Amino acid sequence: KNQVEQSPQSLIILEGKNCTLQCNYTVSPFSNLRWYKQDTGRGPVSLTIMTFSENTKSNRRYTATLDADTKQSSLHITASQLSDSASYICVVSDTGTASKLTFGTGTRLQVTL
Amino acid sequence: DVKVTQSSRYLVKRTGEKVFLECVQDMDHENMFWYRQDPGLGLRLIYFSYDVKMKEKGDIPEGYSVSREKKERFSLILESASTNQTSMYLCASSLGGHSNQPQHFGDGTRLSIL
Repeated sequence: KNQVEQSPQSLIILEGKNCTLQCNYTVSPFSNLRWYKQDTGRGPVSLTIMTFSENTKSNRRYTATLDADTKQSSLHITASQLSDSASYICVVSDTGTASKLTFGTGTRLQVTL
Repeated sequence: DVKVTQSSRYLVKRTGEKVFLECVQDMDHENMFWYRQDPGLGLRLIYFSYDVKMKEKGDIPEGYSVSREKKERFSLILESASTNQTSMYLCASSLGGHSNQPQHFGDGTRLSIL
């Protein structure tokens, strides 16, 4: 069964600090891995999409890495801001069909003063 | 920017009612999706559509149906609402073709069935 596991479940950090969120998956075959940000009360917003051949991808202060051999990904947030407080969801696609996505349960990040 | 609009942010209905959730996208996307999101669970796919008048069951279609009469509009129908259908419902759309296209989500409808 395809699964995506994220850790930690929740995280509290001080503004300005860095943090790293983890995603392990057992989805097979593998097509791509996505990270989404979901603010409270809003829909998820795409941060990055990474294919098998991509090891790292950046979007402003967000940097995603992918190790397809160990089936792990991480999302690193640099110099966190209060607006980074949200849930971060890891999503893996298996067959290349748009509908075949496996969602993680997310990491809830809180950035405080 | 892609805009996916869900008709209601909050909705309260009674058990047994027929409930309609509406979703409209403005970017001419071929693909549209309905998910539900529950605490502690990842998003689960209810139904999706690759084209007008086309629909496919997702992972949890029981108790739901959909309608796509126009390309920009995808409706989710709860035929006879039950309390276990209380949830956050998210609509999404994406370009057709290869799956390396991001899904664009609406802000969700929080549905309560009493």
